[in-house]
Amino acid sequence: EAQVTQNPRYLITVTGKKLTVTCSQNMNHEYMSWYRQDPGLGLRQIYYSMNVEVTDKGDVPEGYKVSRKEKRNFPLILESPSPNQTSLYFCASSWNSNQPQHFGDGTRLSIL
Amino acid sequence: SQQGEEDPQALSIQEGENATMNCSYKTSINNLQWYRQNSGRGLVHLILIRSNEREKHSGRLRVTLDTSKKSSSLLITASRAADTASYFCATVPDSNYQLIWGAGTKLIIKP
Repeated sequence: EAQVTQNPRYLITVTGKKLTVTCSQNMNHEYMSWYRQDPGLGLRQIYYSMNVEVTDKGDVPEGYKVSRKEKRNFPLILESPSPNQTSLYFCASSWNSNQPQHFGDGTRLSIL
Repeated sequence: SQQGEEDPQALSIQEGENATMNCSYKTSINNLQWYRQNSGRGLVHLILIRSNEREKHSGRLRVTLDTSKKSSSLLITASRAADTASYFCATVPDSNYQLIWGAGTKLIIKP
């Protein structure tokens, strides 16, 4: 089954404790992206990757890092999480940036 | 970056009625996409309409695009309780080919 898998689905943690949200897709897509979704603000893009070893900042990259060492994986790293990063996070993949995106089920992060 | 705007922000209708949601945007686009999101879940792609297309259908969904007015509409006919969700439009500008998302329309279908 074609899918984008994110882990964990839920996480409550404390300020400053490094965390990684994993994202994996099995569709051989070249394009992958991370979004955060906050009430009233819609989806905002954090980082995206056009292909392996190619990553670019989206609209709200501050406080986040990503890597794309393999085509299927695109982890999101919060080196020193802060409460304003409490949000619902989505990973998505597609063949390229202007094609329909396939979304994971989301990761709900709470930073205390 | 600029965002599309959906309207209304929220819509509540009776089952069986038609639901219409609108999306306006600011720049010239390559395509426009509509997505559905059930509460707390990932978004699901519904329809993509290219800038040279005016109308597209998929089952009970009808999407129109008016590039002169920079607007699109999504019509869901004969609505069902299962259509209750948030609906988002996303545009792909000609300038950078990165999706720009609207804030969404929350649709509630009353049984």
